This record gives sequence, structure tokens and C-alpha cells, in this order.
Amino acid sequence: NAGVTQTPKFRVLKTGQSMTLLCAQDMNHEYMYWYRQDPGMGLRLIHYSVGEGTTAKGEVPDGYNVSRLKKQNFLLGLESAAPSQTSVYFCASRPGATGGGLQPQHFGDGTRLSIL
Amino acid sequence: SQQGEEDPQALSIQEGENATMNCSYKTSINNLQWYRQNSGRGLVHLILIRSNEREKHSGRLRVTLDTSKKSSSLLITASRAADTASYFCAFYNFNKFYFGSGTKLNVKP
Repeated sequence: NAGVTQTPKFRVLKTGQSMTLLCAQDMNHEYMYWYRQDPGMGLRLIHYSVGEGTTAKGEVPDGYNVSRLKKQNFLLGLESAAPSQTSVYFCASRPGATGGGLQPQHFGDGTRLSIL
Repeated sequence: SQQGEEDPQALSIQEGENATMNCSYKTSINNLQWYRQNSGRGLVHLILIRSNEREKHSGRLRVTLDTSKKSSSLLITASRAADTASYFCAFYNFNKFYFGSGTKLNVKP
């Protein structure tokens, strides 16, 4: 019963490199989210998905791309990493059975990304 | 930005005391949720209050919501050292969740 699993847990990149963060959930949830958390701030939404094959922009989408080819996976890509993208990235999922955001989100333990 | 604001930013209390943290937001909301984050871990959902509710209880947690003032508070009664964590409010608006800046709670044994 893994819940939400994020891969990798830590990564150091050089400016300009690309990488993909993987989020996998085994709860059959419809909605999935990618957030970033910076020191002294709450989570800010990067992109989200309301179902397989769908994606939408959140508050801070610039510099990131996402894909949801399979219901259980939500990928976050950095095409050309910049030092401003140094952050802790969290993935979350929740059921989509009812509207209004009444179901809580389930979070992974984060990916700590440093860009030099 | 539609992010919420929380105060205090940090709170240090003795075990057994009550802890109160506040959250303010700017837009209309459908519901407001509170989450807890232990150091180095992901967020864990604590409690949800709907926009038509004024107060809700769950164990040692009490949440209030005042939609006219666009604010909410979380009270943890009889705190324990294990309650040491950061606490975040989150409100839902059009498929998106907006989080507050968090309150870092330290409960001293």
C-alpha cells in the first residue's frame, strides 16, 4: 500500500540540463498535482491533471511541462533547468468522485532538486 | 497571487498548552483544509471545513471558519511533543488548491 511515490528523492543538476520527475499513485485517483515548496512559503501549484490524458496550468507553470499518459503516473519535466527552479517538488493525488474539492489530497514525500 | 497567509509564522509552546494558528485568504472558497507537514516529509490532511460550516472538531483539533472575514483558525488542544510540525491551510477554487505560508509549531516536552 504505497500511496504516492516520487522518484527520485534527491537530484543535483547543472544549469541547462533536463530531467523528468516521476509521480506514481496506486489509489486509482483521478486528480494529480505537482507543487513546488520554497523556504518560508507554502506550496505553489505548477500543473495539475483531472484525468488520464489531461493537463492544465497552475500558478507557476513557466519552465515546466507535464504529461499524464497513464492514470497512475504524472510526469514533471524541466527542459532547461535554471537555478530559480531549485526547490522541493511535491506530487499529490485525490479522488474525483465528487466535485468541490472535498476529498483530501494525498502527498508523496517530495523530490529535493538543486540546480547549480 | 491567491495564496493564503498564516500567522504566526512560528509558535513555540510547552507540552499540554493549546496552540492556535490563523489563516486568511482573498477569494471565495468552496472549502478550507488544514494539513500538517513533518520535517522532510509530505503533507498529511488533518481536517476539512466546508464554506457553509462555522466550526468543526476532530479529536484534539478544532477548526473555525469565518467567510465574512475570509479567515480560519486551527486550535490544537493539550499539545504533545509529537505535534511539532508545520501546519498549512489550503483552500479550493476551480480545481486548484491554494496553500497558506504555514505556521511552524514547536512543542517543548
